[in-house]
Amino acid sequence: SQQGEEDPQALSIQEGENATMNCSYKTSINNLQWYRQNSGRGLVHLILIRSNEREKHSGRLRVTLDTSKKSSSLLITASRAADTASYFCATDDMEYGNKLVFGAGTILRVKS
Amino acid sequence: GAGVSQSPRYKVAKRGQDVALRCDPISGHVSLFWYQQALGQGPEFLTYFQNEAQLDKSGLPSDRFFAERPEGSVSTLKIQRTQQEDSAVYLCASSVGSGSHNGYTFGSGTRLTVV
Repeated sequence: SQQGEEDPQALSIQEGENATMNCSYKTSINNLQWYRQNSGRGLVHLILIRSNEREKHSGRLRVTLDTSKKSSSLLITASRAADTASYFCATDDMEYGNKLVFGAGTILRVKS
Repeated sequence: GAGVSQSPRYKVAKRGQDVALRCDPISGHVSLFWYQQALGQGPEFLTYFQNEAQLDKSGLPSDRFFAERPEGSVSTLKIQRTQQEDSAVYLCASSVGSGSHNGYTFGSGTRLTVV
């Protein structure tokens, strides 16, 4: 069973706009990670945020983590057509040990 | 190698046939994971190896599924007597340490279709 839930399930925006995706999870975590998956490909690691961090940046990506609400958000600024993909959050939580538990993902479409 | 390599990329099996899926992790990576991804869903955990030891196989859906990593590098996921519900993409990932704090590197997956 999946730990996280992303919303929205699907998001369609114009190139240049910002995209925000949210993730909720259920248990205590060590860290939370975001991955991107292009159609028919494997997942690519984007960014990791530890449970004692509240915000992290990497290029056009900004991730926030609120452990009291068990939620995270991924913001992609100035989106590009190449950002079109599915985005998944994953938690490495204390209950499940070493493995990552993934959510169902958000499908992002950036129109040019 | 430079990345995680999986073969074959595509496999069509007749129901009841046995299949073997191969994963070549990044050289030196201690941890290796297998995930199953159904269409439109996130990856679901199957099993985890630390070197040659299979430390967690709680996600294997039935005893028809078997995984091994005998020398702590290449891993094989075997599915016996395939069923239509086994149709999915099977993803392999590796990680340099024993935890996830460095993130996982995924292969491109094997798309299995059971007809």
